[in-house]
Amino acid sequence: DQQVKQNSPSLSVQEGRISILNCDYTNSMFDYFLWYKKYPAEGPTFLISISSIKDKNEDGRFTVFLNKSAKHLSLHIVPSQPGDSAVYFCAASGDTGNQFYFGTGTSLTVIP
Amino acid sequence: NAGVTQTPKFQVLKTGQSMTLQCAQDMNHNSMYWYRQDPGMGLRLIYYSASEGTTDKGEVPNGYNVSRLNKREFSLRLESAAPSQTSVYFCAVSKSQYFGPGTRLLVL
Repeated sequence: DQQVKQNSPSLSVQEGRISILNCDYTNSMFDYFLWYKKYPAEGPTFLISISSIKDKNEDGRFTVFLNKSAKHLSLHIVPSQPGDSAVYFCAASGDTGNQFYFGTGTSLTVIP
Repeated sequence: NAGVTQTPKFQVLKTGQSMTLQCAQDMNHNSMYWYRQDPGMGLRLIYYSASEGTTDKGEVPNGYNVSRLNKREFSLRLESAAPSQTSVYFCAVSKSQYFGPGTRLLVL
């Protein structure tokens, strides 16, 4: 049973616009969330994380929002660039911090 | 500073053969992880090692064994490979999950 879900397999946005990638989770014990970017034939690259004590974290063009009551997080990329085209994974871990659960990924295409 | 390295990059096995996937890090992190990635399934944790000398099962441990040889190295062994183990295998280190480049395994 998938504990972390990314319900949109793909997303296309125009260059310069905002990309919003969504992630839902079912386990209320999750308290640490991460986003990764993955290019073909490479390992995932860490982008940004958020702890459950916060509801927002920013790093440059990337912002992650966490809505604990809805068990939902989102990644905003502003402005989107063609180099952002990749598969994005969200991941979550609980109080042990040892097991990580990943979503199935969303393929983002930024159109020049 | 290579970060996280994995060997081999690609391997073809016949059903029943054994092999060991190697992972090494120069980041001095305690925790190391093995994942497999399959189409439509995301990444699933096979085994992890919270520190040198300890290992624990993840979501999908069946058919695999691991060894945390020292702080730097964490290996994944398939004793008798099956076609269902065809996948891309990633090693990660640290609770921030820094990943290696992956090993593509095809079991015929």
